[in-house]
Amino acid sequence: DGGITQSPKYLFRKEGQNVTLSCEQNLNHDAMYWYRQDPGQGLRLIYYSQIVNDFQKGDIAEGYSVSREKKESFPLTVTSAQKNPTAFYLCASSTAGLATHEQYFGPGTRLTVT
Amino acid sequence: AQSVAQPEDQVNVAEGNPLTVKCTYSVSGNPYLFWYVQYPNRGLQFLLKYITGDNLVKGSYGFEAEFNKSQTSFHLKKPSALVSDSALYFCAVRDTLDTGRRALTFGSGTRLQVQP
Repeated sequence: DGGITQSPKYLFRKEGQNVTLSCEQNLNHDAMYWYRQDPGQGLRLIYYSQIVNDFQKGDIAEGYSVSREKKESFPLTVTSAQKNPTAFYLCASSTAGLATHEQYFGPGTRLTVT
Repeated sequence: AQSVAQPEDQVNVAEGNPLTVKCTYSVSGNPYLFWYVQYPNRGLQFLLKYITGDNLVKGSYGFEAEFNKSQTSFHLKKPSALVSDSALYFCAVRDTLDTGRRALTFGSGTRLQVQP
């Protein structure tokens, strides 16, 4: 099956610990994205990558880091510097280029930090 | 800069009645517009998009949306609502002048509740 997988579905961490969320796609998409979803605020862009070995900050990148070493994978690390990390995290991918295409989303990871 | 507004946090409709979920946008160039649906604790599913051409766009599950350039709107519609349509709906936009970031900007979402 083609699609985007995110793991784990639920993640619990203690405050002060870094945690890495996995995102893998087998759609052969060049572009990948990380969003954060909070109740009543819609989706906010954390980081995005249009091509392997390149990524850019989105609107709320502080306290997060990413890597894009392979086309299929775009892991997100939530660091201890992120002040309010508890949220639902969504990964997405799309074809790159000037012609627009819809983004395809993974099932999400719900992170709870206590 | 690009932005999206979904003015209603929640829309309630009876099963079998028509439904409308509102969306307005702001872009510097021309818009690419999208609607997504989200069920509880799930990712977003693509419903439909407007790129160019006919103002009325048909999508998945019987949904359609009408692009209105003069009113900068892209309202989602369905002629006859089902209880299973109850979910969170997001409108998203990308500015055609955005040749750098090429990311979508999402509205805050509208919860659709269809009563049996």
